[in-house]
Amino acid sequence: NAGVTQTPKFRILKIGQSMTLQCAQDMNHNYMYWYRQDPGMGLKLIYYSVGAGITDKGEVPNGYNVSRSTTEDFPLRLELAAPSQTSVYFCASNLGGTNEKLFFGSGTQLSVL
Amino acid sequence: RKEVEQDPGPFNVPEGATVAFNCTYSNSASQSFFWYRQDCRKEPKLLMSVYSSGNEDGRFTAQLNRASQYISLLIRDSKLSDSATYLCVLTGFQKLVFGTGTRLLVSP
Repeated sequence: NAGVTQTPKFRILKIGQSMTLQCAQDMNHNYMYWYRQDPGMGLKLIYYSVGAGITDKGEVPNGYNVSRSTTEDFPLRLELAAPSQTSVYFCASNLGGTNEKLFFGSGTQLSVL
Repeated sequence: RKEVEQDPGPFNVPEGATVAFNCTYSNSASQSFFWYRQDCRKEPKLLMSVYSSGNEDGRFTAQLNRASQYISLLIRDSKLSDSATYLCVLTGFQKLVFGTGTRLLVSP
């Protein structure tokens, strides 16, 4: 099993550009999450999904969109990149809910200049 | 008051030392508690869950004090490889809440 796979690992965007962060898991997990981690801060939940076709906002959803057309994939879309979106992004998945171990992808370092 | 608070450290300890971290939380309704480990620029990985009666995994001991609303992590016989940031994680209202982490540096 590859676990949770995130791409790309690094990306530099100009203000106003758009991009999609890819996330895929091969563990048949229902729940998938997108977090961002700013320096010296805890992880903040952007969006999550409890199954294919179902997504919901987390704490910091503004400026992002997600979709979940399959169990395996949960891409995160940035439409108009802003410097405030400079962060490290982690995708994660688990079997179900807050009591289950989270499996994280290796992260994407995004800089918006 | 923040939902979860951790001393950012760093805690500098020599190899073989015993070190302990605390994490305080504000939501008395939190049900599940965890310690995650995060190496520099890497993803967090589950170190251990924290159970009401306390639990041990090798050199690591986790405890929960509901009355005072804190959890603790004790590391015995520290190794160089224990150098990392330790994240306190607990359940909030339908979500997980992550602490900012405590950095541990173990030196030879």
